[in-house]
Amino acid sequence: RKEVEQDPGPFNVPEGATVAFNCTYSNSASQSFFWYRQDCRKEPKLLMSVYSSGNEDGRFTAQLNRASQYISLLIRDSKLSDSATYLCVVNKGGTYKYIFGTGTRLKVLA
Amino acid sequence: ETGVTQSPTHLIKTRGQQVTLRCSSQSGHNTVSWYQQALGQGPQFIFQYYREEENGRGNFPPRFSGLQFPNYSSELNVNALELDDSALYLCASSLTLAGGSTDTQYFGPGTRLTVL
Repeated sequence: RKEVEQDPGPFNVPEGATVAFNCTYSNSASQSFFWYRQDCRKEPKLLMSVYSSGNEDGRFTAQLNRASQYISLLIRDSKLSDSATYLCVVNKGGTYKYIFGTGTRLKVLA
Repeated sequence: ETGVTQSPTHLIKTRGQQVTLRCSSQSGHNTVSWYQQALGQGPQFIFQYYREEENGRGNFPPRFSGLQFPNYSSELNVNALELDDSALYLCASSLTLAGGSTDTQYFGPGTRLTVL
């Protein structure tokens, strides 16, 4: 079983739609959680950190469920510019190692 | 932009050769992590450097080695290149605090290595 698992997609959604991605992790000792966005042939860029209380940044909402060991990302009112791969990242024990999922591809269609 | 730079941007090598990739960390950061990203996969952790020493290593063979310099920049060296080493190599810059915890990692643009 992979340490971090994501549905690879692609998710094809129309502009204005709401889309949600989930990510599960296997190590219950994981302490830090992130969503990164990666455009084609570019580097990952931090989208948002994920906290137990949930956090929101404009159209993006991230949630963490420690009991079930999953992280979610909700994108409301999708824009064409949201088309990218979204990487779920888990940091074990607050130390050095970021563990990435394979990413979920999102295509927002006009 | 993150302020993390990498060179070169692209590189083509043949099997058996050696390669050195370079990374300059963001101002104020003291830690560099290296990742390998194969096509269609998420980045895989290679190793991290802090205080000029390797501070953790992923599941990569010894022919992957690195250095960190006093200015916190870093190099990734790969010996005896194999076809499967073809990938995007990313470095990430972060700040390790006095207690040992590491803050958020910010990625450079990567070096795309092709091994023929």
